[in-house]
This record gives sequence, C-alpha cells and structure tokens, in this order.
Amino acid sequence: DTGVSQDPRHKITKRGQNVTFRCDPISEHNRLYWYRQTLGQGPEFLTYFQNEAQLEKSRLLSDRFSAERPKGSFSTLEIQRTEQGDSAMYLCASSGQLVAFFGQGTRLTVV
Amino acid sequence: QQQVKQSPQSLIVQKGGISIINCAYENTAFDYFPWYQQFPGKGPALLIAIRPDVSEKKEGRFTISFNKSAKQFSLHIMDSQPGDSATYFCAASLNSGGSNYKLTFGKGTLLTVNP
Repeated sequence: DTGVSQDPRHKITKRGQNVTFRCDPISEHNRLYWYRQTLGQGPEFLTYFQNEAQLEKSRLLSDRFSAERPKGSFSTLEIQRTEQGDSAMYLCASSGQLVAFFGQGTRLTVV
Repeated sequence: QQQVKQSPQSLIVQKGGISIINCAYENTAFDYFPWYQQFPGKGPALLIAIRPDVSEKKEGRFTISFNKSAKQFSLHIMDSQPGDSATYFCAASLNSGGSNYKLTFGKGTLLTVNP
C-alpha cells in the first residue's frame, strides 16, 4: 500500500491521559499536514511540515498538542492531558505539490 | 470566520438524477479548488479540482463550474448512483508565493442517492 498510513485507527482514552498518533506519508512527499475533523464538520488545519521543519501551526493547536516529523519522514501528533473536547478524527495528509492525499484517520474518543 | 461556505447541508437525489453542491469563498487569493469525497470511517479522497483560470472542468460524471467574479464554484454529479452516497467537501487553498498549500474546507454535504 503506497498511500498515507495512520496508526492507530481508533483510540479510546481516559480524560487526562496522553496519546500519540503516527502518520506515514507517501514516501516521495515532502509536505505533511495534520487536520482535525469533528462530527458534521469539514477537516480543520492543525499544522504543516515541509520535510522536517514545522512551518505553520493553527491557533487550534493548544500547548497540549505537539507534532514532530523527525528526518522528514513519518510524523507524530501527541496530545497531553486529553480533554473530552479533543474527541475527533485526526487526519494526516501528504503532498508533493498541489494534490493532498489523506490517510484513513485516527478516531480519538476521550471518556 | 468561515472562509468557505458550502450548501446544502444534505441532499437527496434519485438514481440517475443530477446532484448539485455549491460553495462560496471569501479569500480572493485562493487559487486551487478541490472537491473531496468521504465515506463513513474513511479519510477524504480527492474527486476533482480546478484552478481559477478555467470556468469548467469535467471528469467522467463529475463537473466543476467556477465563477471567479462571484467567488463561487459548484460540483455537478450527473447520472447519480447509489454508490455516490457520501459526504462531499469543497475546499480552497493558496498555492503561490511560497505558501503551504493548506486546505480550507467547507462544512460538507451529505449526499444520499436513492435507488
């Protein structure tokens, strides 16, 4: 499979716990994005990497969120001290130029 | 501030009919307008996209119409099929001047095609 891969697909966690998601982009893509999608809404931009550099972060990304892309390959998104409001689908996308390809997403449920 | 407004929220069409979804944008600097299709539990998949230098683009049963002066664009699905039942998102991005190509999405349209 040469598409964007995300792991895990589903995560249930208790409020206050930390969670980490992984994204493996399409190998030749230098641009990587994280989006968050809540029920009945379109995806909302969280952050953007070009190679290993994190070049933009949305105001949606509070201090509890951190993302990394070591060596410009896979990326991780960590949420510390999760809150119920963090429950959402977290989508990763990668692109070479214009066309962004999305992964299947990680569905986070905070109980 | 919602930069891309999409309508309708939901749409029911009979098999063989035409589905039409509309979007309006505010930022005149946007220069790439894709449509994504999303099935439940899946990530969005690119359906068709247009640049503002053309007024229409057709791929199979899917057509984008673009009106730059009105800052509007629409998706037409001809001969709609039950397999087209999904949520459709319009989006826009800025792709010049060293921008990062991030997408701004509409809120989505849930399309149901009845057999």
